[in-house]
Amino acid sequence: DAEITQSPRHKITETGRQVTLACHQTWNHNNMFWYRQDLGHGLRLIHYSYGVHDTNKGEVSDGYSVSRSNTEDLPLTLESAASSQTSVYFCASSEGNEQYFGPGTRLTVT
Amino acid sequence: GEDVEQSLFLSVREGDSSVINCTYTDSSSTYLYWYKQEPGAGLQLLTYIFSNMDMKQDQRLTVLLNKKDKHLSLRIADTQTGDSAIYFCAEKTRPSNYQLIWGAGTKLIIKP
Repeated sequence: DAEITQSPRHKITETGRQVTLACHQTWNHNNMFWYRQDLGHGLRLIHYSYGVHDTNKGEVSDGYSVSRSNTEDLPLTLESAASSQTSVYFCASSEGNEQYFGPGTRLTVT
Repeated sequence: GEDVEQSLFLSVREGDSSVINCTYTDSSSTYLYWYKQEPGAGLQLLTYIFSNMDMKQDQRLTVLLNKKDKHLSLRIADTQTGDSAIYFCAEKTRPSNYQLIWGAGTKLIIKP
């Protein structure tokens, strides 16, 4: 069965370190998204991509970057982790009208 | 701008119907969605409705759309303990293409 996976599921890192969260989908979807989920804010869009080599900023993109070198993967990099980036991160992919989510990565920045 | 609003909590008794409400502001919405998030898990697509429909039923789930009032609801019949979760409403608007605009989620609490 096609799926979308994220790794690691949990990560603790220190302020100032670079961190990369992986997202891999086997749906062969062109569209991929990264969100963060914080209490009281619901889901907020960080970055998204509509295809290989295409990346776009979402509403909370500061401090984050993505690259899309193939259809299956959209890694999210925190250039210099800050405590404000402690959150649960979700990757999603879509083709057409349905968006499917990965299980999430809980990131703690100390 | 675009906005989607939901109540943060809803408490119902097991066996009763749950009705989760959502309002949105963008009249150009094309599709409206309901997602379910169980503790520690990702979001699961429950159902969605095209904006030219006013109702969609799928087993215990009924979605009602009032486009005039920009109001969407999700009714869960015969609510069970397994329905305990956070329910997110989201809309897809033409200008945003594939992006969704999300509500903050409603936590459904089931009382025995």
